[in-house]
Amino acid sequence: QKEVEQNSGPLSVPEGAIASLNCTYSDRVSQSFFWYRQYSGKSPELIMSIYSNGDKEDGRFTAQLNKASQYVSLLIRDSQPSDSATYLCAADNNAGNMLTFGGGTRLMVKP
Amino acid sequence: GAVVSQHPSWVICKSGTSVKIECRSLDFQATTMFWYRQFPKQSLMLMATSNEGSKATYEQGVEKDKFLINHASLTLSTLTVTSAHPEDSSFYICSATRQNNQPQHFGDGTRLSIL
Repeated sequence: QKEVEQNSGPLSVPEGAIASLNCTYSDRVSQSFFWYRQYSGKSPELIMSIYSNGDKEDGRFTAQLNKASQYVSLLIRDSQPSDSATYLCAADNNAGNMLTFGGGTRLMVKP
Repeated sequence: GAVVSQHPSWVICKSGTSVKIECRSLDFQATTMFWYRQFPKQSLMLMATSNEGSKATYEQGVEKDKFLINHASLTLSTLTVTSAHPEDSSFYICSATRQNNQPQHFGDGTRLSIL
């Protein structure tokens, strides 16, 4: 059973702080990793894609991938109340044609 | 961009009704489309994977005769919930991807309520 694991949270951070979201995956052949944000009652929205070891930055978001440890994370700098949502981590399968999603981490940014 | 349009956004109907949900990739050709279901406060559950011109692949426990999927073109997939019952009430979301190893882009979802 290929799995993507996330702490369900909620993760509570004060406004302006760095939020750190973590994800582990079990399938060593996964090559592509994605972070999605899902607001309550809405569909997921793609935030970041990462394919290589290391860091990838996009605005306030930084994705980090460590394939040796099978670990991917998302850092959100200068967290805002509008960042409060559930963040889903996803990893592709061997053929690259399907994603396995984690259960999501609920982030709460308090003003 | 990668825009996926899904409609209707909300359906309320009587038990026994069949409901069709459309998913369109507006600005790209989707090699694969996916159908998910999400119950309140739960994670996404993949129902089926659909490739244009071929039969959908259903996940274990999903009844293919209950949830009919048609993928007639590279930009359109439909999900029909046949003879829907209250337990089918859920949030149904489609997604589409350009090619393997690329992200899935989601539609806005369809909230289905069966009375």
